[in-house]
Amino acid sequence: QQQVKQSPQSLIVQKGGISIINCAYENTAFDYFPWYQQFPGKGPALLIAIRPDVSEKKEGRFTISFNKSAKQFSLHIMDSQPGDSATYFCAASKGAGTASKLTFGTGTRLQVTL
Amino acid sequence: GAVVSQHPSWVICKSGTSVKIECRSLDFQATTMFWYRQFPKQSLMLMATSNEGSKATYEQGVEKDKFLINHASLTLSTLTVTSAHPEDSSFYICSTGQGTGTIYFGEGSWLTVV
Repeated sequence: QQQVKQSPQSLIVQKGGISIINCAYENTAFDYFPWYQQFPGKGPALLIAIRPDVSEKKEGRFTISFNKSAKQFSLHIMDSQPGDSATYFCAASKGAGTASKLTFGTGTRLQVTL
Repeated sequence: GAVVSQHPSWVICKSGTSVKIECRSLDFQATTMFWYRQFPKQSLMLMATSNEGSKATYEQGVEKDKFLINHASLTLSTLTVTSAHPEDSSFYICSTGQGTGTIYFGEGSWLTVV
């Protein structure tokens, strides 16, 4: 059962454009929603994360928008750069702390063209 | 800098042999670590939860006798792939979280079974 659905599967954006990746979850007990960036052959790196008590979080060019009632959250990459080309995974977990088990989305391969 | 270290980064082993992958938390104690495997162009699949001082918890469909997990200290968990076969070739990644709830991943270990 896919508890976190992610779209699109792949995305091509021109340099300077906005990249938008969407995720939807089913389990209302989830209360931690991180986004990870993964380059080929590397482990995922935490990009930004949000908890359901806020509707938006911004860190530099990366913004998470969170809609609790719709059970959706999205990643916006402003002024996309070729170096942002990577695979992005959304995830969700229940509870905070070291024992939090993440459920991942299927991933979005982003390509930023010149 | 990295907070979770994995070793080796890549390993090639002969079919039928066993191979051990280490996962270390560098800056904090980790009572719980997670092991994932990832096939090319796919998402991360949780294999098991490693608990310090007790038995690991395996996800459904993961053979506990094939993928041995040992979490002997608060900073080290090991995954041993026993009697490896070519279909076990994959990217294995560990993760663990700090008390704040932030979850970090290791750099991953490429296993190729020939």
